[in-house]
Amino acid sequence: KAGVTQTPRYLIKTRGQQVTLSCSPISGHRSVSWYQQTPGQGLQFLFEYFSETQRNKGNFPGRFSGRQFSNSRSEMNVSTLELGDSALYLCASSKKGQWSQETQYFGPGTRLLVL
Amino acid sequence: EDKVVQSPLSLVVHEGDTVTLNCSYEVTNFRSLLWYKQEKKAPTFLFMLTSSGIEKKSGRLSSILDKKELFSILNITATQTGDSAVYLCAVDDNQGGKLIFGQGTELSVKP
Repeated sequence: KAGVTQTPRYLIKTRGQQVTLSCSPISGHRSVSWYQQTPGQGLQFLFEYFSETQRNKGNFPGRFSGRQFSNSRSEMNVSTLELGDSALYLCASSKKGQWSQETQYFGPGTRLLVL
Repeated sequence: EDKVVQSPLSLVVHEGDTVTLNCSYEVTNFRSLLWYKQEKKAPTFLFMLTSSGIEKKSGRLSSILDKKELFSILNITATQTGDSAVYLCAVDDNQGGKLIFGQGTELSVKP
């Protein structure tokens, strides 16, 4: 069974630009969560989608947005990039509905560098 | 505010040593605690713990949860250089797909 895939793996952008990252979950998984990982803040939750609906959102500005498609693939978008947005962006998928205890499996991440 | 705290933040040991990594948490709506291993890239899943006092084992790794004292430990026996990684502890706060992560423990195993 293929794991979580993320594209692109590496990205270099300049301040003010926008970027779209993609995540394909494990087959059969309907929940996709996004995280930002930086050396200073560690792994921080961005948002989660289940059946094309955003169920939960972390404490990030509105420049960070996402969506999920009917095939469970998800995208996240960051507009008006800032230097501080340089990070590893990880997505994770799980089967779960809201009431089940299931593991999140992570993709390899997209490393974004903002110059 | 919910938080997860790991200790130590870094650790250097020699092959064959046994290590214990700690994770304490203050999370209002605890559902489960997870351990991940992160090398260069994606965190890989190790254990999910939901009940106190039940040890989970996988080879040389084991973990246990204490829901009364709000902590978990991850033990690695007979360490190998391949165990060098950052070990992440995370708590599922039952809020829909959100894990709250600790800062991680960076383990370095020297030959």
